[in-house]
Amino acid sequence: DQQVKQNSPSLSVQEGRISILNCDYTNSMFDYFLWYKKYPAEGPTFLISISSIKDKNEDGRFTVFLNKSAKHLSLHIVPSQPGDSAVYFCAASAPTGTYKYIFGTGTRLKVLA
Amino acid sequence: DGGITQSPKYLFRKEGQNVTLSCEQNLNHDAMYWYRQDPGQGLRLIYYSQIVNDFQKGDIAEGYSVSREKKESFPLTVTSAQKNPTAFYLCASSTLRTGTGYTFGSGTRLTVV
Repeated sequence: DQQVKQNSPSLSVQEGRISILNCDYTNSMFDYFLWYKKYPAEGPTFLISISSIKDKNEDGRFTVFLNKSAKHLSLHIVPSQPGDSAVYFCAASAPTGTYKYIFGTGTRLKVLA
Repeated sequence: DGGITQSPKYLFRKEGQNVTLSCEQNLNHDAMYWYRQDPGQGLRLIYYSQIVNDFQKGDIAEGYSVSREKKESFPLTVTSAQKNPTAFYLCASSTLRTGTGYTFGSGTRLTVV
């Protein structure tokens, strides 16, 4: 049972436009969410996070929105750049004391020049 | 520079052989994790450890074994019992503070020949 879902396996966006990556979750106990970016044959790198007590967090071109009632979060990248082309994973954790994150299946973003 | 190192980057194994993947971190992180990435399946947790000499099974532990004799090291052995071992393996570490994410290594690509 996939508790964290990224329903779009891929997304193509024109350079300079907005990229919106979506993530849905099923466990209402999740209280912390992360986005990671991954290039081929490399480890994921941390991008941005959000706590369940917030509904928005910004860091430069990256903004994450959290809608707790819909159990949905999204990552906005504005403006998109060719270097943003990568696989993006969302991850969620619950306050169970295990500090484990559950990852989605990833969305491959391609930014077209 | 603090970080997490996985070696080797590429590994080939004959069917029926055990192989050990190395993971070392100098971040003074208490927790370490092993994930496996397969196309279209995201990151799946194999094993994790929050303290030396203790570790827990993740979602797909069958056919794998780990040890945590030192805080800095968390090697993963892929045994001959693992039915489909060809994959990209990622090691990660984290503190035990709520809301902190993982630091990932650069991964090991294991291919069974």
